[in-house]
Amino acid sequence: DAKTTQPPSMDCAEGRAANLPCNHSTISGNEYVYWYRQIHSQGPQYIIHGLKNNETNEMASLIITEDRKSSTLILPHATLRDTAVYYCIVRVPGFQKLVFGTGTRLLVSP
Amino acid sequence: EAQVTQNPRYLITVTGKKLTVTCSQNMNHEYMSWYRQDPGLGLRQIYYSMNVEVTDKGDVPEGYKVSRKEKRNFPLILESPSPNQTSLYFCASSGGVGVYEQYFGPGTRLTVT
Repeated sequence: DAKTTQPPSMDCAEGRAANLPCNHSTISGNEYVYWYRQIHSQGPQYIIHGLKNNETNEMASLIITEDRKSSTLILPHATLRDTAVYYCIVRVPGFQKLVFGTGTRLLVSP
Repeated sequence: EAQVTQNPRYLITVTGKKLTVTCSQNMNHEYMSWYRQDPGLGLRQIYYSMNVEVTDKGDVPEGYKVSRKEKRNFPLILESPSPNQTSLYFCASSGGVGVYEQYFGPGTRLTVT
């Protein structure tokens, strides 16, 4: 079973920041937080991952709370192409299986 | 371009007719995996391979076979397809043990009638 909880859907206006929350209250010390997204029925796409520090790459930022029980994926300037289902996944390095939950369906509107 | 390719992308077949879905990656990745995606059930792992000649079952392996004779290829074999194997299938690969992200193929939509 997925070890994360996400809202089923969110809306965001184009050009605004999209903040997608994820709860992972049972995360263990060596588990990383990963974010993937799936646009329509395409293959999931890796976005970002982190352990306990905040992370940023060209796609997004990941903010992990100090107790690591929750995190937020931030898309700083959402575009229509960011409309997708976003999955938050916790995983131990070395254990390659990704357990996908139901994710958050983000709709970016003009 | 680094990528995972799958063929065919779409397939309609009949019950019992053996089929193979191919998966190939050009990133020299050690780890490869197959998932299926069904409405309401999300993505579930079928089989995975940690390296050549090393394969193991995932969460839903019944009715499927795999092989890993070469590092780049990881075909999914349905010996006797049944309608409950109608699904969207994804192949994925990653660099190996560690924090590596997984790269997914474009998907194969299979319909078994």
